Amino acid sequence: QQQVKQSPQSLIVQKGGISIINCAYENTAFDYFPWYQQFPGKGPALLIAIRPDVSEKKEGRFTISFNKSAKQFSLHIMDSQPGDSATYFCAASGTGNDMRFGAGTRLTVKP
Amino acid sequence: GAGVSQSPSNKVTEKGKDVELRCDPISGHTALYWYRQRLGQGLEFLIYFQGNSAPDKSGLPSDRFSAERTGESVSTLTIQRTQQEDSAVYLCASSLVGPRASSYNEQFFGPGTRLTVL
Repeated sequence: QQQVKQSPQSLIVQKGGISIINCAYENTAFDYFPWYQQFPGKGPALLIAIRPDVSEKKEGRFTISFNKSAKQFSLHIMDSQPGDSATYFCAASGTGNDMRFGAGTRLTVKP
Repeated sequence: GAGVSQSPSNKVTEKGKDVELRCDPISGHTALYWYRQRLGQGLEFLIYFQGNSAPDKSGLPSDRFSAERTGESVSTLTIQRTQQEDSAVYLCASSLVGPRASSYNEQFFGPGTRLTVL
């Protein structure tokens, strides 16, 4: 049932560095690609999302890059901070299609 | 509280017992979802409710799992004859509309119920 593949499983970055998480999808009917952030003991929360009519969306230090032809999208966290340490999930959905989540990436930002 | 709430927060049960997990969605949200998250793993879709439409049960792993929702309010996920492999965090989410209406719907998650089957 895995329609969204996410990598890496875990990522360690130094404070101030760039964190990059990648996702690939299969279903061309998907037209909404959110990223969720989950802290330990909490439910995931929407971080940023993109639609396929644009190739990039930036909100503060967080940027989604989207490549429709390759069916890939990625999350970039600039100037990573220890407070960004969390698990990140990419997801994809389309009208009539339930949202499907990637397996998650555990990010650790070292001070 | 304006968010999604779930109860209990933790549940420890013995193998073979039945458990009920409860979810209170955000008021006015027509769509409700249940996910399972095993330790260190991703979100596994279980079931989705949209208004009065028939639920999408395609993610339920076995007939021991069932869920109900009363109108557009509370939902209960029931696991019968629990097994050790059922141990996980069960997350509930709600959204204003569901994917049958639009794909652009943010899901709001509850804190989850951590189920441990001994």
